[in-house]
Amino acid sequence: QVQLQQWGAGLLKPSETLSLTCAVYGGSLSGYYWSWIRQPPGKGLEWIGEINDGGSTDYNPSLKSRVTISLDTSKNQFSLDLSSVTAADTAVYYCARVTRVLEWVTPFDYWGQGTLVTVSS
Amino acid sequence: DIVMTQSPDSLAVSLGERATINCKSSQSVLHTSNNKNYLAWYQQKPGQPPKLLIYWASTRESGVPDRFSGSGSGTDFTLTISSLQAEDVAVYYCHQYYSGVWTFGQGTKVEVK
Repeated sequence: QVQLQQWGAGLLKPSETLSLTCAVYGGSLSGYYWSWIRQPPGKGLEWIGEINDGGSTDYNPSLKSRVTISLDTSKNQFSLDLSSVTAADTAVYYCARVTRVLEWVTPFDYWGQGTLVTVSS
Repeated sequence: DIVMTQSPDSLAVSLGERATINCKSSQSVLHTSNNKNYLAWYQQKPGQPPKLLIYWASTRESGVPDRFSGSGSGTDFTLTISSLQAEDVAVYYCHQYYSGVWTFGQGTKVEVK
C-alpha cells in the first residue's frame, strides 16, 4: 500500500522560504508524477506544481517565480520550496501522486497527510 | 485557467436520500483524441486530505461505494450520492485535469438534514 508522509517547518516569518519534503513508502517514484497542492484555512484547493520521475517540472504560473520542486530518487522523496512567503501563503500543503501515461491520467490518487504552514511576523 | 463552478455551495439531505452536486467548467474538458472527460471528484472530511472518488467523470476509484456515481460530459457534470450515509458528511470538490493548470471547484458541503 502506497503511503505519502510529509514534513517541514510549520511556522515561518514573511520573506522566508517554505520547505517541505514528501517521502513515498510502499512504492517507487518511477513511473509517476508527484504534485504539491495547497489549501488555505477554510478555503479550496490550489495546484502548485508537479515533477515527474525524470525531474521535469511544471508549475502554476501564479507561483512559478517562487516555486521549486525537486526529486531525490535515492531517498524516494520529493520536495517543495516556496520563497519569499507572505501571509497569503498560509495554508495546509499536501503532496500527492498522479499517474500519467501519454493522455491517460489518474489524478491525485494518493495524498500526504498535510502540513499546516503559517506565515506570521 | 479553466474555472470550475460548483452548485450548490452546501446542501442538507436526510439519511437514505439522494444528494446531487453539480459542477460546470468554463471550457470543455472532453479530450477528443480518447473521448474522455478529464474530470474528477474528491471527498474531504475535516482534518483529512481529499480522497479521490471518481475520475474520467464517471469511473469510480477502487474501494469507493457504488452509491457514489458521476455523470456528464463537456462542461457539465454531476456527482450523485444515491442514498446518503452518515459517513458521507464531507466537502466534495470537482477537479479538471484537462489543461496545464489543474483547477478545482470551490467545494460543496454535504450535511445531514
